[in-house]
Amino acid sequence: GIQVEQSPPDLILQEGANSTLRCNFSDSVNNLQWFHQNPWGQLINLFYIPSGTKQNGRLSATTVATERYSLLYISSSQTTDSGVYFCAVGPNSGNTPLVFGKGTRLSVIA
Amino acid sequence: ETGVTQTPRHLVMGMTNKKSLKCEQHLGHNAMYWYKQSAKKPLELMFVYSLEERVENNSVPSRFSPECPNSSHLFLHLHTLQPEDSALYLCASSLGPGTSLSFGPGTRLLVL
Repeated sequence: GIQVEQSPPDLILQEGANSTLRCNFSDSVNNLQWFHQNPWGQLINLFYIPSGTKQNGRLSATTVATERYSLLYISSSQTTDSGVYFCAVGPNSGNTPLVFGKGTRLSVIA
Repeated sequence: ETGVTQTPRHLVMGMTNKKSLKCEQHLGHNAMYWYKQSAKKPLELMFVYSLEERVENNSVPSRFSPECPNSSHLFLHLHTLQPEDSALYLCASSLGPGTSLSFGPGTRLLVL
């Protein structure tokens, strides 16, 4: 099956810093989503982005499907950005369920 | 209520107990999912229902039994669980398989 690798596995930032999280995947996809899991376990859908670039406030994401990667940018980080960021992909073979990466654990310190 | 809700939020049960987890979505979605999240592991898909029919069952042990009576409600019936089943159980919904997922807050389950 499709493999999803996220990097870095852990990241510590000073409040106000910028960061880039990466998601590599091993096969063509027609579905890619980024999620943020807060310290209480709630998963929030950040982006549905199988290709192209999207922005939502301080967050933006870019997926280069032909090169099999996606990037999540966090600018001017805040302590509330802390948590785990997951990338999940759906292979091109029909409407198969998402495969999740292991996540990047982000800690933003004041 | 809006979004995806789950009850209970926390559950402690013995290995001989029978309990049920409940999920309800208020988004008008047609697909519902159960995921399991254990420590240090990626999210594992357990079951998918689309228009109330089960379309995915990822080799989940029979001690987990899903039920989807309508497109807004999803249950996970638990019986004779093992301590290694302790995890965060997350419900999600989407318009259909392959579309944007919305997750509930999860049920933290501890099996003693």
